[in-house]
Amino acid sequence: QSALTQPASVSGSPGQSITISCTGTSSDVGSYNFVSWYQQHPGKAPKNLIYDVSNRPSGVSNRFSGSKSGNTASLTISGLQSEDEADYYCSSYTSSSTLVFGGGTKLTVL
Amino acid sequence: QLQLQESGPGLVKPSETLSLTCTVSGGSISSDTYYWGWTRQPPGKGLEWIGGVNPSGRTNYNPSLKSRITTSLDTSKNQFSLRLSSMTAADTAVYYCARGYLTVAGVWWGQGTLVTVSS
Repeated sequence: QSALTQPASVSGSPGQSITISCTGTSSDVGSYNFVSWYQQHPGKAPKNLIYDVSNRPSGVSNRFSGSKSGNTASLTISGLQSEDEADYYCSSYTSSSTLVFGGGTKLTVL
Repeated sequence: QLQLQESGPGLVKPSETLSLTCTVSGGSISSDTYYWGWTRQPPGKGLEWIGGVNPSGRTNYNPSLKSRITTSLDTSKNQFSLRLSSMTAADTAVYYCARGYLTVAGVWWGQGTLVTVSS
């Protein structure tokens, strides 16, 4: 299975909104509403931000939102804050009953 | 509050089998709602899903690792385990255990444990 495609890096200024894309295929993102997003700070474990495309686990800020169109899912972070600077990963369920991650996106808050 | 803690050797020799255990506290691993899984991250690289198992014994594994993986649950100890055979330098990574679902790699994560493969 091939990794989902994410931009290597994105950046934004405090208060702005940014969007990270996650492109898959009709065998994963395009066929299932089972896309998740994770935030990972250096040296820390991943934190689940979004599951099932747009649902937030309890305790996750509503500044984080998810969506999907076709084979591409997106994570939007609004009201960017310095503590949002981290790596972000998407993942999707696949037609082989497996999970696949994206390559990761480094977010820089300017 | 659910907590997960990985344990195992920090150093493994090439060709040997890695055995990792994840001890769960604050919740039971017996619930069929959840999958108990493993994800790894080579130094400086991205996340790679390894696989998971639920209490009914259903397993799902990364196809690229499937021939080398064994996962199991020990409900009496509230632990689950990963065995990865024929280790090579390419398997050097931080290994994370997590509670998730069939469709979600992890909602609750352990802190991770670094495993280095070297002679």
